[in-house]
Amino acid sequence: DTGVSQNPRHKITKRGQNVTFRCDPISEHNRLYWYRQTLGQGPEFLTYFQNEAQLEKSRLLSDRFSAERPKGSFSTLEIQRTEQGDSAMYLCASSGLGQGTRTFFGQGTRLTVV
Amino acid sequence: GDSVTQMEGPVTLSEEAFLTINCTYTATGYPSLFWYVQYPGEGLQLLLKATKADDKGSNKGFEATYRKETTSFHLEKGSVQVSDSAVYFCALTPYTNAGKSTFGDGTTLTVKP
Repeated sequence: DTGVSQNPRHKITKRGQNVTFRCDPISEHNRLYWYRQTLGQGPEFLTYFQNEAQLEKSRLLSDRFSAERPKGSFSTLEIQRTEQGDSAMYLCASSGLGQGTRTFFGQGTRLTVV
Repeated sequence: GDSVTQMEGPVTLSEEAFLTINCTYTATGYPSLFWYVQYPGEGLQLLLKATKADDKGSNKGFEATYRKETTSFHLEKGSVQVSDSAVYFCALTPYTNAGKSTFGDGTTLTVKP
């Protein structure tokens, strides 16, 4: 088990382009979370999946953002028509079910929109 | 909604000094409380946690006690080392969803030899 894996680690894109990030959670984890972290702030919750079902979306997740988790395994986060304000670190995390379960974070994908 | 407030940084200490990083929270119900650490160039790592009132989480010489009456979870270490230099985040998760966390803005700690 190599933990939560995110790809790519860095992405530079031009404003208006679409980008897609991938997250591979710990294999036995049912829940998968996406967070966004901007410089000088803590991570902010975006959305989460339990297996393949997307159960909650933050109001931070505009219509340009979409996340999927087909087959309840890996997940993708797509941003359409990127804006400079989308520049941030995008973190993925996974956990099992239950109150005592621990959440593991990936190292994140740093997006820079130029 | 839920919120977490951390003392503003950055914090600079000399090696072997005592560390306190304040954290207070607002939440409904009975959240679990966490401290995460982020070393330069690395991802978030769980440092310690407490799941109910009066619990004390501890790890690597760090401690924090869940104080429901003051809604606080202050991080302490008796003698910091240069290797403790990192960003520390206080966070809470609601009882009903162990991974949907609300984070503070982080406190950058620099320890000088």
